[in-house]
Order: sequence, then structure tokens, then C-alpha cells
Amino acid sequence: KQEVTQIPAALSVPEGENLVLNCSFTDSAIYNLQWFRQDPGKGLTSLLLIQSSQREQTSGRLNASLDKSSGRSTLYIAASQPGDSATYLCAVRGNYGQNFVFGPGTRLSVLP
Amino acid sequence: DAGVIQSPRHEVTEMGQEVTLRCKPISGHDYLFWYRQTMMRGLELLIYFNNNVPIDDSGMPEDRFSAKMPNASFSTLKIQPSEPRDSAVYFCASTSSRDTQYFGPGTRLTVL
Repeated sequence: KQEVTQIPAALSVPEGENLVLNCSFTDSAIYNLQWFRQDPGKGLTSLLLIQSSQREQTSGRLNASLDKSSGRSTLYIAASQPGDSATYLCAVRGNYGQNFVFGPGTRLSVLP
Repeated sequence: DAGVIQSPRHEVTEMGQEVTLRCKPISGHDYLFWYRQTMMRGLELLIYFNNNVPIDDSGMPEDRFSAKMPNASFSTLKIQPSEPRDSAVYFCASTSSRDTQYFGPGTRLTVL
């Protein structure tokens, strides 16, 4: 059974810092991995999707990497801004089925 | 497109009452997912449909929970009878592929 963990559980940084969020998964037989953002009281918004054959994806100040063999993904946020404050969740989809298995999330606070 | 629509946004009910949550997926999406999010257990998949047919309901906690999708534009999640431990945020999501999922804003359910 796939298990997804995220470290740290919470992170507080001053504005302008670069930061890294970590995601680990136990079963490397994945189809893809996705990073989501969740604002308080809101649904999830997709940030980046990495297919199993890819090593990384970039969107603006965000860069996500995938090391399938070691069961790890990182989300790098450059030049953080207060508007980046949210909970970030990673989700892994296996080779069969449509469902994602979600990590518990990292709650990020970027202080002005 | 209006995105995934869920109603109601908030529901407060008393233990033993029937609760019905509603979801309208994005037009053209043929997969629909119901998730539950709690502080203790994070985001869990309850059930998902493909072309209105339930594919995987292994996440449905017990017989008190049921889900239907009578047509491509509407799905319900019903809890009968409701219990305080059912209090959570329930999300609906839809997709047309094995890529990203689009989440609704969620229904916050409180069972007293």
C-alpha cells in the first residue's frame, strides 16, 4: 500500500527566502506525482505535475523534482512571497487506477 | 467554465440525521472523485466514478455512506445516519485524463 509523507509539517520563513518542501513515497511504481496548494477554507489547486519518466517540472518560481528510485520529490520555491503562504500537498498516482494518494501536507508561512 | 461546483458549502446537522452532499463536475470530464479531509487522517479518497459507474469504493468508511452519479453532470454523497465522527470537509474533484484533478471548494460538514 502506497504511503506518502511530507517533511516538514510546518515551515515559517521570511519573505525573499528560497525554500524546499519534501515528499517521500514508499512504492516507486508510480504513474505521476502532483503538487497541490491549498489555501485555508478552499479546495486544492494543482501546481505542477511530473510524469514518472520526467525528472523535473518548472512553473514560474516553482520547480518540482522527482527521483522515483529513491521515492522522493521536492518542491523548490524561489524568492518566497507572503502570497505563497498556504498548505502544500503532494499526491502520488500508481500505475493502475485513477486515484491519488495524498501526503499530509506542509503548512508554509512566509512572513513579510 | 465555472469549475467543480459543490453544495452546500457548509452543513451543520444533528447526529442521526441524513446528510446529502452534491457535486457538479466540469463539463466533459468523465472521472469524478469524492474525498474527505480531516486533521487526523488528511485527505482520503472515498470513491470514484468513470462514465457514471463506480470504479473503486474501497475508501467508503461504512454502509452509512453511499454515493451515486445518475448522470454525467451530477453526483451525490449521502450519509445516513450521520455521526459526529463524520465531521470533515468533503471534496469533489473531476478530470478527463490521468493527469491533473480539479477540485471543488468543499463542503464543511459538522455533525453535532
